Amino acid sequence: KAGVTQTPRYLIKTRGQQVTLSCSPISGHRSVSWYQQTPGQGLQFLFEYFSETQRNKGNFPGRFSGRQFSNSRSEMNVSTLELGDSALYLCASSLGGGAKYFGPGTRLTVT
Amino acid sequence: DQQVKQNSPSLSVQEGRISILNCDYTNSMFDYFLWYKKYPAEGPTFLISISSIKDKNEDGRFTVFLNKSAKHLSLHIVPSQPGDSAVYFCAASRLSSGSARQLTFGSGTQLTVLP
Repeated sequence: KAGVTQTPRYLIKTRGQQVTLSCSPISGHRSVSWYQQTPGQGLQFLFEYFSETQRNKGNFPGRFSGRQFSNSRSEMNVSTLELGDSALYLCASSLGGGAKYFGPGTRLTVT
Repeated sequence: DQQVKQNSPSLSVQEGRISILNCDYTNSMFDYFLWYKKYPAEGPTFLISISSIKDKNEDGRFTVFLNKSAKHLSLHIVPSQPGDSAVYFCAASRLSSGSARQLTFGSGTQLTVLP
């Protein structure tokens, strides 16, 4: 069974731009969660989607948004990028929720 | 407010010996706990989990112990191997509205297994 895949793996953007990250969960998994990892804050929960509905959201500003499609693939969008958004963005999938299997992450650098 | 704490940023162990990684939590609503291993520039790899109705769970060389009264869990790796060298994260979750669960992670412990 293929694991969680994330694209792109690396991204460099400029302050003020927006970015879209993509995640394909393990086949059959309906829950997709997103996490941000930074050296200062560690791993922090962004949001979770289940069957195309956002089920849970962490303490991030509205610039961070996401969606899930009918095939369970998910996208995360960050608008008006700030330097502090530079991080490793991780997607995880599970059958019912609770993020068990993580993808390799997308390394976002904002300059 | 750090609800999940890993107080040891690093741990060095000799190959073949036992590695014990510790984690403390403050929220008594957490009912499911997980351990992950992470290499640089990769996503966390799930190792083992435990539900709050149990106090021990084993999987091969990995055993997780949960002490609910102390709000403490630990991961034992026996015997430790050089390939186990990585950052280990503990995570805790609780059920919230709409059957949603989110993980709250500790800050990680860098384990180095010396040959």
